[in-house]
Amino acid sequence: DAKTTQPPSMDCAEGRAANLPCNHSTISGNEYVYWYRQIHSQGPQYIIHGLKNNETNEMASLIITEDRKSSTLILPHATLRDTAVYYCIVSTGGSNYKLTFGKGTLLTVNP
Amino acid sequence: GAVVSQHPSWVICKSGTSVKIECRSLDFQATTMFWYRQFPKQSLMLMATSNEGSKATYEQGVEKDKFLINHASLTLSTLTVTSAHPEDSSFYICSALKGRGKNMNTEAFFGQGTRLTVV
Repeated sequence: DAKTTQPPSMDCAEGRAANLPCNHSTISGNEYVYWYRQIHSQGPQYIIHGLKNNETNEMASLIITEDRKSSTLILPHATLRDTAVYYCIVSTGGSNYKLTFGKGTLLTVNP
Repeated sequence: GAVVSQHPSWVICKSGTSVKIECRSLDFQATTMFWYRQFPKQSLMLMATSNEGSKATYEQGVEKDKFLINHASLTLSTLTVTSAHPEDSSFYICSALKGRGKNMNTEAFFGQGTRLTVV
């Protein structure tokens, strides 16, 4: 079973920041937080991951709370092409890596 | 990022026949690959973990004799759906793990998926 909780859907205006929350209150010390997204009828796309520090790359920023029980994925300037299902997943790395997908959040970016 | 290629993108087969799906990591070596299945309007369900040079590990409820997995090289894993039936029609997706072992900072990259329709 997925160990994360996400809202089923969110809306965002084009050009605005999209903030997608994720609750992972049972995360263990060696588990990373991963974010993927899936555009309709395609394979999931890796976005970002982190352990406890905030992370930023060319796609997004990941903010992890100090207690690591929740995180937020931030798309700074959402475009229509960012409309997708976003999955927040926790997993250990290395040889025990295993991604179990929940239902994710359907983000709809509106013009 | 990294590139994972899946082939074919879609396939239609007759009931009772077998279908092979290939998953290749194009620019990195992957000792571990994963196979998922996704039904319409549902999330991805992990079917099995494929390790290079050893037997795959199947998730509970997945028939290993029906879904044959071979991971013969560091860049190729194959999934064969044997004696396919209409209920096997689904979107099959593979992913390849970049980074392993003591390196805990790993990430998986996904193929584009294969749409299987059994008629």
